[in-house]
Amino acid sequence: DVKVTQSSRYLVKRTGEKVFLECVQDMDHENMFWYRQDPGLGLRLIYFSYDVKMKEKGDIPEGYSVSREKKERFSLILESASTNQTSMYLCASSPVTDNEQFFGPGTRLTVL
Amino acid sequence: GQSLEQPSEVTAVEGAIVQINCTYQTSGFYGLSWYQQHDGGAPTFLSYNALDGLEETGRFSSFLSRSDSYGYLLLQELQMKDSASYFCAVRDETDKLIFGTGTRLQVFP
Repeated sequence: DVKVTQSSRYLVKRTGEKVFLECVQDMDHENMFWYRQDPGLGLRLIYFSYDVKMKEKGDIPEGYSVSREKKERFSLILESASTNQTSMYLCASSPVTDNEQFFGPGTRLTVL
Repeated sequence: GQSLEQPSEVTAVEGAIVQINCTYQTSGFYGLSWYQQHDGGAPTFLSYNALDGLEETGRFSSFLSRSDSYGYLLLQELQMKDSASYFCAVRDETDKLIFGTGTRLQVFP
């Protein structure tokens, strides 16, 4: 079974803190994605990556950055957390030849 | 802009059939996917249509009409465990998924 894991299920941070969200997949997938999910807005793509060291901006990259130093790991970084970044963050991965994305359990981040 | 429209909520009773529609307006289109998400859970893949027509997988079927920029998910023989949110998503030319805002399905006994 494909497994996508995220470092924390719940996280509480203060405004201005630097926040790292980690995602690891164990199926050697090339593609990895970071989404945020907010009520009534669905899933919105923040950043994605098709290969190690490679990153592309999604629809809402402002205030975020990413790092992909190893194929299995894709990190989302909030350089200076703000209250409007309080959200559910979902990581996903997919093989390059497949249409299905596999999602992690999500991290619910609260910024106070 | 890019948008996907789906109803916000649908209710039905056990054993019934329900159809969740999705209309899309996107700059590129390679296929339409459907994902299911239970409360507190991760989205899970249900189906993918790249060509026009109906795809059946057990109790669930998905339909696509590219000329109408329209698709639907059909759930038959509804069970309580089908209560969840359902998202349509368009795959664009860069392999990204653009998600709709989701339809919350409530199944009543």
